Amino acid sequence: AQSVSQHNHHVILSEAASLELGCNYSYGGTVNLFWYVQYPGQHLQLLLKYFSGDPLVKGIKGFEAEFIKSKFSFNLRKPSVQWSDTAEYFCAARYSGAGSYQLTFGKGTKLSVIP
Amino acid sequence: ETGVTQSPTHLIKTRGQQVTLRCSSQSGHNTVSWYQQALGQGPQFIFQYYREEENGRGNFPPRFSGLQFPNYSSELNVNALELDDSALYLCASSQGVDYEQYFGPGTRLTVT
Repeated sequence: AQSVSQHNHHVILSEAASLELGCNYSYGGTVNLFWYVQYPGQHLQLLLKYFSGDPLVKGIKGFEAEFIKSKFSFNLRKPSVQWSDTAEYFCAARYSGAGSYQLTFGKGTKLSVIP
Repeated sequence: ETGVTQSPTHLIKTRGQQVTLRCSSQSGHNTVSWYQQALGQGPQFIFQYYREEENGRGNFPPRFSGLQFPNYSSELNVNALELDDSALYLCASSQGVDYEQYFGPGTRLTVT
């Protein structure tokens, strides 16, 4: 079965620290990849997406992610976090072919940024 | 541009009852997907509707059913509610089945 794994359940950082959240997806052919963020009390928002082309994807609010096909990874990065980045982050994959319509989500990583 | 909206915000039901959740898609979107998010978990795909037809279904029993209307809004119906159905139900809309999905705020369902 197709699956997405997020390595960290809870990450705690101080402001200005660099962030990297891990995401691995299971092999399943062509894949589209997404990172969503859920701020406290708000709905899921799309941070960035990878469909094809340049494996380094830039999203909103200074976030970026790198698609590494050989490692089945799509890690999220930000050079310097702010208190306002405190949220839960979800990695999701959509596989081509049968079942291409659904997003498969990881369990999420909660990020707490300490001022 | 109006985003995805869902109603109601919260709902409390008793085991065995039936519930209907509603979703209005974002303007210009013809595809609606429904997800269930249990506490501490990522969203799980229930089903998707594209132009009023079910376009795929996740691993949920038949008591979870849905509809999509000509204006592309959608309903999720759950019959014979069980305690484990307590969750946040998310609706997402997109321009088509292969486009990125935009999520609504969700409906929090509690089954007692």
